[in-house]
Amino acid sequence: DTAVSQTPKYLVTQMGNDKSIKCEQNLGHDTMYWYKQDSKKFLKIMFSYNNKELIINETVPNRFSPKSPDKAHLNLHINSLELGDSAVYFCASSQTSGSIQETQYFGPGTRLLVL
Amino acid sequence: GQNIDQPTEMTATEGAIVQINCTYQTSGFNGLFWYQQHAGEAPTFLSYNVLDGLEEKGRFSSFLSRSKGYSYLLLKELQMKDSASYLCAVSDNYGQNFVFGPGTRLSVLP
Repeated sequence: DTAVSQTPKYLVTQMGNDKSIKCEQNLGHDTMYWYKQDSKKFLKIMFSYNNKELIINETVPNRFSPKSPDKAHLNLHINSLELGDSAVYFCASSQTSGSIQETQYFGPGTRLLVL
Repeated sequence: GQNIDQPTEMTATEGAIVQINCTYQTSGFNGLFWYQQHAGEAPTFLSYNVLDGLEEKGRFSSFLSRSKGYSYLLLKELQMKDSASYLCAVSDNYGQNFVFGPGTRLSVLP
C-alpha cells in the first residue's frame, strides 16, 4: 500500500499555463506539506496544512495555492507557470502529537518542467 | 533566523565508517531528523533525536547535542548502496516549521 502518493509523476508544460498536482496520504496523519527541490537539490518547505488550516506559508508567490478538501489530501495549484518553477515537488505528511513532531513521510515527487 | 549547515560532499570506502556533521541555529527546537535521498527518489527517514545523546539503529547512529546545536550521522560498514544525499532537518516549533539543511552527497567507493 502506498503511504503518500502524488500525481502526476512527470509534468511538462508551457510557460503561462495553470496546472495542479495532487497528493493523498493513507497514514491518518494530521499534517501535510509541500516542498520544492530545485536543481541544486535544496529542499524548501512551501506550505503545510494541519487539520485543514494553513499553518506555514513561506515566501512563496501567490501563484501557488494549496487546496485541502479533507485531511487526507493536499493539492497544489500553480497559476501562470514560469520557467523558474521547474523543480521536483514533494508532498509529505506527519502526525503531530502534543509537542512532538513525528517523522515526515514523503511522496515519490512530481518532476515539473516548464518550457 | 533558521540556518542549517552540512558539508556538501564526502567520499568514503566500502566497509569503512563515515561521520556526517550538521550544525543548526533555529528559533526553536522540537527534534532533529536525518533523511537519506537517492538520486531521483524521495527522502526516506533514517533517524530522529530530540534528547541529547546517541540513537543507534543497525549500521546507522545519530548523535545530538542541543547546547552546541550539533548533530552527526554515523554510518558503519559502508556499502555501495549507501551512496546518496543525507539531509539533516530540524523541527523548530510543534512541527509548524520543518527546515532542511542543504544535504551531504556521500560517494562510497569500492
